[in-house]
Amino acid sequence: RKEVEQDPGPFNVPEGATVAFNCTYSNSASQSFFWYRQDCRKEPKLLMSVYSSGNEDGRFTAQLNRASQYISLLIRDSKLSDSATYLCVAGYSSASKIIFGSGTRLSIRP
Amino acid sequence: DADVTQTPRNRITKTGKRIMLECSQTKGHDRMYWYRQDPGLGLQLIYYSFDVKDINKGEISDGYSVSRQAQAKFSLSLESAIPNQTALYFCATSDPRGAVGELFFGEGSRLTVL
Repeated sequence: RKEVEQDPGPFNVPEGATVAFNCTYSNSASQSFFWYRQDCRKEPKLLMSVYSSGNEDGRFTAQLNRASQYISLLIRDSKLSDSATYLCVAGYSSASKIIFGSGTRLSIRP
Repeated sequence: DADVTQTPRNRITKTGKRIMLECSQTKGHDRMYWYRQDPGLGLQLIYYSFDVKDINKGEISDGYSVSRQAQAKFSLSLESAIPNQTALYFCATSDPRGAVGELFFGEGSRLTVL
């Protein structure tokens, strides 16, 4: 079982829709969580950090559920430019270890 | 200009050749990483370095070596390239004062081994 698992998708949704995807992690020692965005053949870029209290940045909301060991990303009013692969990341401070999920591919259609 | 620069951006080589991928950064970060990405497999850590005198193997270090020439430079070598090393390679940096997992990536080096 992978330490960080994501539904690979693709999620294909119309412009303006709300879309959400989850990521589960297996190691309860994970302490920091992030969502990265990766465009095709480009480098991953940090989208947002994820906190237990939730984190909102414009149309994007990230949430951490430690009890169930998952993090989520919600995109409201999706735009064509949101089409990308979204990578979930868990960090373990004690080991300075960083685990990437395989990514969820999102495609927004006009 | 990019804060994390990788060269070359694209390279095609033949089996058995020695290849070096270079990474330099202007972010002033102590920590540097080399990752490999294959379609559908996500990012896999090859090597990482927390300072100039520190080199650590990642999950897939076999067939690779690294050199940390300075705080700002971290190079990855394939001593004898093989076709299954065809992949997209990313260099990344992080600030030890930041959260573990907050990484800044270079634009990638696409390597094809024939």
